[in-house]
Order: sequence, then structure tokens, then C-alpha cells
Amino acid sequence: AQTVTQSQPEMSVQEAETVTLSCTYDTSESDYYLFWYKQPPSRQMILVIRQEAYKQQNATENRFSVNFQKAAKSFSLKISDSQLGDAAMYFCACKGGSEKLVFGKGTKLTVNP
Amino acid sequence: NAGVTQTPKFQVLKTGQSMTLQCAQDMNHEYMSWYRQDPGMGLRLIHYSVGAGITDQGEVPNGYNVSRSTTEDFPLRLLSAAPSQTSVYFCASRQGAAIWQYFGPGTRLTVT
Repeated sequence: AQTVTQSQPEMSVQEAETVTLSCTYDTSESDYYLFWYKQPPSRQMILVIRQEAYKQQNATENRFSVNFQKAAKSFSLKISDSQLGDAAMYFCACKGGSEKLVFGKGTKLTVNP
Repeated sequence: NAGVTQTPKFQVLKTGQSMTLQCAQDMNHEYMSWYRQDPGMGLRLIHYSVGAGITDQGEVPNGYNVSRSTTEDFPLRLLSAAPSQTSVYFCASRQGAAIWQYFGPGTRLTVT
């Protein structure tokens, strides 16, 4: 079974600055995957970035990157050069061998102009 | 491709009524899932399917039924709606070889 914890209910950042969203997880599985999903006010769930646990290299997608610390079971998301369109709820999620994708409770990100 | 589509977008039910939330995908994905999102709780898995004719329970299956007669469709049935089922429902799908899921736009359900 997996659990995912996002300890920051809300975060804010100035436009063009960098922000880091925290996520810790727990799983008994040796093979698992980690994700960050973005949910704007439209409610659509959009995949931001993914990380395979067996890969040591941190995933990067344009302005989005992760800091994956496997021993500490930590999976933080860094957003560089924040834009107004980045404002949304961000969910961290973990998937093991089963089909179950376990989500954290989310972090609401506000981007200030 | 239309991706993952869900109907209706909004629905209001009275306690005890039944209804079906529709989900369809045109990407020939093997895996499909239903989640519910409650305020402050993230998404939780209700039921999932690994292919036509095969379904299984997720984390919160009580009060819901599913079936998968075709690859494209995965309807979610509420047998006797209760106020505790007021939520936003998301359908998702993925290819067998991929690990990430595509989500539909969601259905906001209110049970009074």
C-alpha cells in the first residue's frame, strides 16, 4: 500500500521566481512510479512530470523538475520562472504494481504578478 | 482523438435515485479507472478495468458498479444515490505499456 503526504496546503510565488512544492511518500513496493499532476480551475487533471523509482536521474520537463530522494522517500517539484498560468492545485501521486494511483491532498499554488 | 470524454458534466440527484456516469476513450487504451475527488482529500480510486470484461475494486467501491463490455467504454453506476456520494468523478485511461494516465474533464455530482 502507498501513502502520499503533501505538507503545504497553500504556496505562493512571484511571477518569474522559483517555487518548490514538497511531497513525501511511503510504499512497500520496490518498483513504483511518482507523478505530479496539475489541476487548474477548469478541473482537468494534467500530467506535469513523472519519475520511475529505478531511475537515479531526476526528471525534467522544461521549467518543471523534480528532486527525487529515494532513501528519504521525498519527491519535490520545482517550478522555475513561474508564470501566471502555473496557478493551480498540484497533486503528488504514487503508483506501485497495481492499478491504484494514490494521491496526496494537494497544494494550491498562487502566482502573484 | 477526443481523448477521454465524460458525460454529463453536472448532475443533481435525489437520495435513492440511480444513474450512470458515462466514460469513453478513443485511444484504444487497455486500462480505465474511476476516481472521486472530495474537498481536501485528493483523488481516490473507485473501480478499475484492465481490459474488456475485466474489472476490479479500488479503494472506495461501495455503492458503485462498473462493467467493461467494450475497450472504449467504462460506465460507472450509482445504484442508490446517497449524499455521501456528492463529489467530482474522474475517469482515466492508459495504455498497457505506459504508466501515466489521461484524465477526463470530470463530472460534478450533487446528491440532495
